[in-house]
Amino acid sequence: DAKTTQPNSMESNEEEPVHLPCNHSTISGTDYIHWYRQLPSQGPEYVIHGLTSNVNNRMASLAIAEDRKSSTLILHRATLRDAAVYYCVNSGGSNYKLTFGKGTLLTVNP
Amino acid sequence: GAVVSQHPSRVICKSGTSVKIECRSLDFQATTMFWYRQFPKQSLMLMATSNEGSKATYEQGVEKDKFLINHASLTLSTLTVTSAHPEDSSFYICSARDPDRGGYGYTFGSGTRLTVV
Repeated sequence: DAKTTQPNSMESNEEEPVHLPCNHSTISGTDYIHWYRQLPSQGPEYVIHGLTSNVNNRMASLAIAEDRKSSTLILHRATLRDAAVYYCVNSGGSNYKLTFGKGTLLTVNP
Repeated sequence: GAVVSQHPSRVICKSGTSVKIECRSLDFQATTMFWYRQFPKQSLMLMATSNEGSKATYEQGVEKDKFLINHASLTLSTLTVTSAHPEDSSFYICSARDPDRGGYGYTFGSGTRLTVV
């Protein structure tokens, strides 16, 4: 299973953009890149996923490096509700199972 | 996205008893579901992959006789913690591949907080 590396924590100010980095240097060609976020005592929430091309949705944007060994989750305007642990996860194998790393704790300052 | 419903949200049981946790896919069929365990301040750890109509696949180090998984229908998977002990106290979460996201994004249940006393 491909492993991901993220900073333990990051801080942002409300209404400013946030760039959350992730390294996944051992990713294989068919592994998807996922981002989920989790609030305390809740299950993870889907944010975005992609394979090779950059992706946008109403929550965030995902920028994937050309060699796919890293990616960046972009929150265009952070709000207090975006404070959470963000997990960058790769999926692979016959069941495309997810193996979670330690994640990044994002703090958003008012 | 699709919704996975997990029940109960929290349960307290006595040491030595068994506890069943249900995970239901709402409005979609899930031939495969995944069970995770999360200890305080830690990340999610995949325990097993639940397969409809066949045996579950357990991750290395997870006792299959202790954590019984049944996936008898396309919308229901259950995890039974047998002979629970205090060290089994944890946050258990299920997930399934979300058909609304091409089957490659995942949707998660809200989790079950198990406390063994």
